[in-house]
Amino acid sequence: GAGVSQTPSNKVTEKGKYVELRCDPISGHTALYWYRQSLGQGPEFLIYFQGTGAADDSGLPNDRFFAVRPEGSVSTLKIQRTERGDSAVYLCASSPGQGRLEQYFGPGTRLTVT
Amino acid sequence: GQNIDQPTEMTATEGAIVQINCTYQTSGFNGLFWYQQHAGEAPTFLSYNVLDGLEEKGRFSSFLSRSKGYSYLLLKELQMKDSASYLCAVRDDNYGQNFVFGPGTRLSVLP
Repeated sequence: GAGVSQTPSNKVTEKGKYVELRCDPISGHTALYWYRQSLGQGPEFLIYFQGTGAADDSGLPNDRFFAVRPEGSVSTLKIQRTERGDSAVYLCASSPGQGRLEQYFGPGTRLTVT
Repeated sequence: GQNIDQPTEMTATEGAIVQINCTYQTSGFNGLFWYQQHAGEAPTFLSYNVLDGLEEKGRFSSFLSRSKGYSYLLLKELQMKDSASYLCAVRDDNYGQNFVFGPGTRLSVLP
């Protein structure tokens, strides 16, 4: 099947607004990760889901960031009161689980906060 | 804390062999991963080491020494399309289930 998909591919928003970024993982993958990446840097971990629950949210920078995965498939990353420093590419990745840890990344959402 | 180091940039010639090094310091270790990322694209998985030694996959090989906190990615018979950033990532079990990525090494393959 298809790979990981993310929508939108680009999002421009004004400072202070709320945004939602969506991730559709590979069908059957139990693990889902969110990262953000700034130019010239490696991906920075945000949150990891195993099934429906957030197994590790230690990377979320503050309480403006929240993510859900209600049915254990699609996930949404929500950012409230956006700030210019939130501008980055937000990457989603899924992995098969059951001992297979390699991650398959989506194309990312480029978020620009003006 | 967690720290992963890689050279920032490397240059090599088409047809040659290049070795990209990665050193890491983590409190827990459960695997080291290499990813390739072309400019403007998402990372793609290349290889995974959890035990010491060499893993070979076609033109790409990855080596791990856990006692030294060291890994390298070896690319043979370089092609122009291998020009990309190469990311080293460590899974640290003492930090939940998350992965820590290095800053990446930007490889330029010249004709």
